[in-house]
Amino acid sequence: KAGVTQTPRYLIKTRGQQVTLSCSPISGHRSVSWYQQTPGQGLQFLFEYFSETQRNKGNFPGRFSGRQFSNSRSEMNVSTLELGDSALYLCASSLIFSGGTDTQYFGPGTRLTVL
Amino acid sequence: QKEVEQNSGPLSVPEGAIASLNCTYSDRGSQSFFWYRQYSGKSPELIMSIYSNGDKEDGRFTAQLNKASQYVSLLIRDSQPSDSATYLCAVKTSYDKVIFGPGTSLSVIP
Repeated sequence: KAGVTQTPRYLIKTRGQQVTLSCSPISGHRSVSWYQQTPGQGLQFLFEYFSETQRNKGNFPGRFSGRQFSNSRSEMNVSTLELGDSALYLCASSLIFSGGTDTQYFGPGTRLTVL
Repeated sequence: QKEVEQNSGPLSVPEGAIASLNCTYSDRGSQSFFWYRQYSGKSPELIMSIYSNGDKEDGRFTAQLNKASQYVSLLIRDSQPSDSATYLCAVKTSYDKVIFGPGTSLSVIP
């Protein structure tokens, strides 16, 4: 079974631009969660989608948004990029819900650098 | 108080020793607990999940959960240099979010 895939793997943007990141979950997985990882803040929860609906949201500004498509693929968007948005963005998929008895499998991540 | 805390590292142990990693959480209603390993430059991979009080063993790894003390730990027996990584504790809270701790960096010295 193919794992979680994320595209692109690396991205360089400038302040004020916007960016869209993509995540394809493991086949059959319906839940997709997004995390931001930085050296200072660690792994922080952004949001979780299940069946095209946002189930949960972390404490991030409205510049961070996401969506999920009918095939469970998910995208996240960051508008008006700031230097502090430079991070590794990780996507994780699970069969139904994050946590519980369902294992979350992480993708390789997208490394975003904002100049 | 942070929602999930881990013992600060880095933690160094000699090869063959037992490495002990600790994690505490603030939400008493949490029911699901996970340990992930993350190698430098890689994404986290699940080592162990635990849901009930007590010990759960998988090979060289043992997870221990004490909900009354809001404490979960991971023991790595016969530590190997390949175990050198950052270990992340994750907790699914009663409000349905999976919160990660800051991680503990483990270095196993040959």
